[in-house]
Amino acid sequence: SQQGEEDPQALSIQEGENATMNCSYKTSINNLQWYRQNSGRGLVHLILIRSNEREKHSGRLRVTLDTSKKSSSLLITASRAADTASYFCATPSSGGSYIPTFGRGTSLIVHP
Amino acid sequence: DAGVIQSPRHEVTEMGQEVTLRCKPISGHDYLFWYRQTMMRGLELLIYFNNNVPIDDSGMPEDRFSAKMPNASFSTLKIQPSEPRDSAVYFCASTLGAGAGELFFGEGSRLTVL
Repeated sequence: SQQGEEDPQALSIQEGENATMNCSYKTSINNLQWYRQNSGRGLVHLILIRSNEREKHSGRLRVTLDTSKKSSSLLITASRAADTASYFCATPSSGGSYIPTFGRGTSLIVHP
Repeated sequence: DAGVIQSPRHEVTEMGQEVTLRCKPISGHDYLFWYRQTMMRGLELLIYFNNNVPIDDSGMPEDRFSAKMPNASFSTLKIQPSEPRDSAVYFCASTLGAGAGELFFGEGSRLTVL
């Protein structure tokens, strides 16, 4: 069953600006992942944050997790045109199978 | 490693025809997933295998869809007969171990049913 939903659905910014995407989910999780999908390509894993972590960094990416609010955010700092893609959060499905289920994604456009 | 390999990348067929999509997972991975992506429904899990055994096929839309994994290095998703509403991008992904860890996706098979 689908758990996570991203917000906003679409985001358009200028190069150099920061981009923030949010993910809300419904039930308790042990981890949350963020993926990126370039147009016409498969999804690529960006970062995994565990339920006992509040923040994680990877290069220009910063992910936060608030388990009390059942939400996560992905921040891309100093965005580049090459960051244009769709971004998805994935959470383990409810029911104990722990299979990643995906939201509909945020479509990010970074204008040069 | 070459990553997850899917074929064909693009398939255009007519309603009623049989469609077979193929996937080669990353060597050593013991979980294989088939997802379908559409604008309307996003990314949906169709079925997944563990050690070549189908574990959960509750996402398969109907009996027209079937999936097999005859060995650790090959899986197929078959649609027979195909319908226009099956038009979507079908992704195969693999991973090692349970626990909702990182999935490795193929580039997808874009299916268009006329």
